[in-house]
Amino acid sequence: EVQLLESGGGLVQPGGSLRLSCVVSGLTFSGYAMTWVRQAPGKGLEWVSGVTGSPDDTYYADSVRGRFTISRDNSKRTLYLQMNSLRAEDTAAYYCARDLVLGDGRWDFGYWGQGTLVTVSS
Amino acid sequence: DFQMTQSPSSLSASVGERVTITCRASQSISNYLNWYQQKPGKAPKLLIYAASSLHSGVPSRFSGSGSGTDFTLTISSLQPEDFATYYCQHSYTTPPLTFGGGTQVEI
Repeated sequence: EVQLLESGGGLVQPGGSLRLSCVVSGLTFSGYAMTWVRQAPGKGLEWVSGVTGSPDDTYYADSVRGRFTISRDNSKRTLYLQMNSLRAEDTAAYYCARDLVLGDGRWDFGYWGQGTLVTVSS
Repeated sequence: DFQMTQSPSSLSASVGERVTITCRASQSISNYLNWYQQKPGKAPKLLIYAASSLHSGVPSRFSGSGSGTDFTLTISSLQPEDFATYYCQHSYTTPPLTFGGGTQVEI
């Protein structure tokens, strides 16, 4: 069974930190680009960050650059998002997604997790 | 950065109707355009990639067309399970990546 399972969300105060994880099973992980997408309550989808399969080039939206760090551990089939200096506007459901095709230079999000909710509030 | 503009932002339609949603890119993106469907409380699902390729398992009533800056998602005969929000997304090689604002399809 294909599964992308996010965890690590929760309630955090402004200025705090969280680390999200996304464990991939039933799919090849190594070599595929991975991404994080978020959705604030009642709003549309916002791309947050991505990492290529090989080499591990990383990319960020302007809204999170310098505060968030994406990484991957191929041995654990796990994608991470370290989120520091959190703000109220970071409150959202965070989804991880895997690229559809290996190494084609496109970002086609073919497989998604169910999401983990991050709430930034005092 | 590419900007993606979807229209309309919402529409009302009946079962069996043909529905068309458009997406315009701020500059040419060739066929680097995907379409997703999202239902409330659920993760998005890929419908169409590379502007016109149907993702595995997606019903053939969904189709995509376009190239350059103008793209279209068509549902040939709307079914009850198609009531959802639809997003376009540019998939160009170098991020940042951008989603359109979404189109909510209602009964």
